[in-house]
Amino acid sequence: QSVLTQTPSASGTPGQTITMSCSGSSSNIEKNYVFWCQQFPGAAPKLLIYRNTQRPSGVPDRFSASKSGTSASLAISGLRSEDEADYYCAAWDDNLRGWVFGGGTKLTVL
Amino acid sequence: EAQLVESGGGLAKPGGSLRLSCAATGITFRSFTMNWVRQAPGQGLEWVSTINGGGDYLSYADSVKGRFTISRDNAKNSLYLQMNSLRADDTAVYYCATEVHWGHGTAVTISS
Repeated sequence: QSVLTQTPSASGTPGQTITMSCSGSSSNIEKNYVFWCQQFPGAAPKLLIYRNTQRPSGVPDRFSASKSGTSASLAISGLRSEDEADYYCAAWDDNLRGWVFGGGTKLTVL
Repeated sequence: EAQLVESGGGLAKPGGSLRLSCAATGITFRSFTMNWVRQAPGQGLEWVSTINGGGDYLSYADSVKGRFTISRDNAKNSLYLQMNSLRADDTAVYYCATEVHWGHGTAVTISS
């Protein structure tokens, strides 16, 4: 059972905008930075978003994120087939004194 | 360009030990809090351990506390994870990561 809650699956069609959510608590998301990773099968996670909303260089601006209270969300606009991957949210947890992760959202592009 | 490269994974027997390393280049290593994260086959990501830049703050997941030890050598730009009393459920790909950088992982398999 993951500390952060993500919807297990999401889907969309090319060109669409999809949003996926990440729910936590006052000890993690509310007080600390959230980051998001993208992972393709058999590959290492790739950082998409750090410090709630920041994109590392090279990440397209089609990827955006926000945070409000104990929840965060990742939006992907102009959906492409190559966006089909697993997406994980994470944050530091003050009680556990470590990163906590969501269980991941598997995105399917129809 | 920042790069984190893990090494030291492999096959070990239950009860055995392994030492993972993570070599950092392209970053001011001593400025970064470093983490180990693992992913068991077919599973999600699990945080394992954290060490701050000075090496005086350490934190461990309950699942590895007392068995794993995180350390770093800022002079060598390297992070380590000493893993003792290994169990089958430690089988995973182990990644080192900062807030903004991730390595490509090293695979650990625990089997008799």
